[in-house]
Amino acid sequence: GAVVSQHPSWVICKSGTSVKIECRSLDFQATTMFWYRQFPKQSLMLMATSNEGSKATYEQGVEKDKFLINHASLTLSTLTVTSAHPEDSSFYICSASGGNTIYFGEGSWLTVV
Amino acid sequence: GEDVEQSLFLSVREGDSSVINCTYTDSSSTYLYWYKQEPGAGLQLLTYIFSNMDMKQDQRLTVLLNKKDKHLSLRIADTQTGDSAIYFCAERPYNFNKFYFGSGTKLNVKP
Repeated sequence: GAVVSQHPSWVICKSGTSVKIECRSLDFQATTMFWYRQFPKQSLMLMATSNEGSKATYEQGVEKDKFLINHASLTLSTLTVTSAHPEDSSFYICSASGGNTIYFGEGSWLTVV
Repeated sequence: GEDVEQSLFLSVREGDSSVINCTYTDSSSTYLYWYKQEPGAGLQLLTYIFSNMDMKQDQRLTVLLNKKDKHLSLRIADTQTGDSAIYFCAERPYNFNKFYFGSGTKLNVKP
């Protein structure tokens, strides 16, 4: 079946640095991918819609200059957290459409120290 | 966005049935999903139902949809300790690929 893969699964970075998270659709093409964020013990909140070959669409309250999204190909979208701070520590998860359903990646745990 | 609500906690004994409830607000045609999230892990799709269906059964899982009340439930028969996890209800409008998630229900299964 369709699989969406994220990398890395876990990442620790220093405050002030940038970190990139990749989301790949492994056996299907995804013109649109979505990035979600989950704070501890909370639900998943949509951050942005990633469109292949065009700019991402961000949800209200999400800083586009801080969370850079690039969707360079039909199978890859990247989320770069720039100048990371401890409050950016969270679980980030992507999704991609494959047929009639949406598949989620395994998620990436970011810890900023 | 759409409003999807769930109760936060449910505790049952092993072997009993679990029923997790969810309400949503979107009145248009939509897909409704149940996902399972174990500690430290991503989302696992359990099942989904289209809004023109009333019920869907898949092994130990039964999804019931009351369109009039916009109420969705997930019943897990013969609940096992391995079913302990957070269960998310999610709504996806028919012509969109965005998901709107509930807060999640933490299911605790006691031996």
